Amino acid sequence: GAVVSQHPSWVICKSGTSVKIECRSLDFQATTMFWYRQFPKQSLMLMATSNEGSKATYEQGVEKDKFLINHASLTLSTLTVTSAHPEDSSFYICSARPGRSRETQYFGPGTRLLVL
Amino acid sequence: QKEVEQDPGPLSVPEGAIVSLNCTYSNSAFQYFMWYRQYSRKGPELLMYTYSSGNKEDGRFTAQVDKSSKYISLFIRDSQPSDSATYLCALGLTGGGNKLTFGTGTQLKVEL
Repeated sequence: GAVVSQHPSWVICKSGTSVKIECRSLDFQATTMFWYRQFPKQSLMLMATSNEGSKATYEQGVEKDKFLINHASLTLSTLTVTSAHPEDSSFYICSARPGRSRETQYFGPGTRLLVL
Repeated sequence: QKEVEQDPGPLSVPEGAIVSLNCTYSNSAFQYFMWYRQYSRKGPELLMYTYSSGNKEDGRFTAQVDKSSKYISLFIRDSQPSDSATYLCALGLTGGGNKLTFGTGTQLKVEL
């Protein structure tokens, strides 16, 4: 149980385009999902917290207009990187927290984004 | 000073060795403690979580928390090459969105 999927697993795009990443909890309902960014050999940096049916809460320094988050259902959250630039290239990972748990987060496999 | 300090390694051990991975933290308000394992180019996988000081064992893994010293450890017994990965400690606060604060991760390599 507690499986989280992400799609796509990797994407290459041209500078200026927008990229949408999906995060799904496959066998549980997730009232809260989190989006992280990870640079090579560095730890996870929380970008935003997404609660179903409400606006996401962004961490300091994360541009909400650039990283659009939608949590439309209890099993799906999306992150859209708008007008992507090479500096947005990174490994994006989502996690989902089951409604029955206050603390435990289960992570997706990540999406590798390369902006040319 | 970072909230959570973790030696990045790399740590290289022979197969069968006991591995000790550690994190220290500065915020005494952290209430729960987790260890994740992350293979290269994959998402983190939850290994252990605990709420109180003391030891918690699960198979070859033991998580240890010392709140008075603000120190947590993960021990791996009889280490295997398949244990080669990056191990991340994660600490959380109840309330405030239950966000996790991660260490930088320790890269472990178990050699044959």
